[in-house]
Amino acid sequence: TQLLEQSPQFLSIQEGENLTVYCNSSSVFSSLQWYRQEPGEGPVLLVTVVTGGEVKKLKRLTFQFGDARKDSSLHITAAQPGDTGLYLCAGISGGSNYKLTFGKGTLLTVNP
Amino acid sequence: DTAVSQTPKYLVTQMGNDKSIKCEQNLGHDTMYWYKQDSKKFLKIMFSYNNKELIINETVPNRFSPKSPDKAHLNLHINSLELGDSAVYFCASSQSESGYTFGSGTRLTVV
Repeated sequence: TQLLEQSPQFLSIQEGENLTVYCNSSSVFSSLQWYRQEPGEGPVLLVTVVTGGEVKKLKRLTFQFGDARKDSSLHITAAQPGDTGLYLCAGISGGSNYKLTFGKGTLLTVNP
Repeated sequence: DTAVSQTPKYLVTQMGNDKSIKCEQNLGHDTMYWYKQDSKKFLKIMFSYNNKELIINETVPNRFSPKSPDKAHLNLHINSLELGDSAVYFCASSQSESGYTFGSGTRLTVV
């Protein structure tokens, strides 16, 4: 069974601070996705990283896929209250069924 | 236009009842899924259908039976509901590994 360990589980910071969320596994994934989920809604895809060592930027969010494709990180610069939410990493194994294996999530609260 | 829509949004029912959740996607995706999110927010896949064919069945009790009448619809029927079935159930669809879209969820409460 493939597992994704996500840390930290909870993070409460002040507006303007930087933060990093980590997603680690002992398994190799063909790609890894990051989602953000708000209360009462489904997860919304932020990014997919495919190549080992890949770095993608989405405004103040920077996503990195580890060289061995077993781990990933999400870095947020100058966090804002609107960044508050549940951040989920999810790995996709090889094959054509695109099954997502999720981490347990990081609940981020950005205080004004 | 909602891409992946599921109904109902909330479902409160008694133990032992049978209930269904419906899902429809208008994205033209070939693959649809059901995921379960528990009280600790952990999301786990239950089923996956590709063009109406079941391709993933992840150790889910037989009381749960998915049905896909066409590739745009994937319904979930649950028999003899138990307290432990209380969770949020998400429908999703994808065309490739980069194109995942989730519905807004159905919160099932079994009392």
